[in-house]
Amino acid sequence: ETGVTQSPTHLIKTRGQQVTLRCSSQSGHNTVSWYQQALGQGPQFIFQYYREEENGRGNFPPRFSGLQFPNYSSELNVNALELDDSALYLCASRWGLAGTSGELFFGEGSRLTVL
Amino acid sequence: GENVEQHPSTLSVQEGDSAVIKCTYSDSASNYFPWYKQELGKRPQLIIDIRSNVGEKKDQRIAVTLNKTAKHFSLHITETQPEDSAVYFCAANLLNTGNQFYFGTGTSLTVIP
Repeated sequence: ETGVTQSPTHLIKTRGQQVTLRCSSQSGHNTVSWYQQALGQGPQFIFQYYREEENGRGNFPPRFSGLQFPNYSSELNVNALELDDSALYLCASRWGLAGTSGELFFGEGSRLTVL
Repeated sequence: GENVEQHPSTLSVQEGDSAVIKCTYSDSASNYFPWYKQELGKRPQLIIDIRSNVGEKKDQRIAVTLNKTAKHFSLHITETQPEDSAVYFCAANLLNTGNQFYFGTGTSLTVIP
């Protein structure tokens, strides 16, 4: 069973640029959610994808967008980067929206630095 | 929406002592409360969880208690070991709805050998 993998692990961008982060969900999982973890803070929900459709969104502006592909992998896109976007971006997968297990399986994250 | 508060933000204990981390939540509808451990540079991993129909759950040296009336839940680690040193996050969720997880701000636990 393959775990959640994310790429790239680290990247540096400048203000105003755009970034795409990628996530491969754990084998058998069809739901992917993205979280932003600022330094010293807990993960903050960005959005969730279920069967290729956005299913829930946190308090993030529209310049944060995403996709989920037929193989359930996912992308997070951030346009017009701001300094405050510097954070660890975590992807988490699970099977289904409703189930007996609530466990989120996290990837190791993509560390984004905006200069 | 839900608001989860976590205390303390940092905690140092001597090896072998117990550690307690506390969280409160605001939405009485939340019914699932997991705890995640995040070691430095690693991914968060679930260590224990509890559902609202249970008041306490134990797994070896770790336990979680839930007080639905007061809307707070706690993580208890007994006989702490250096490998318990990590950041611990509590979270709240409304299970079976696909709703988001709301995380606390984390507690950095240091176990001193």
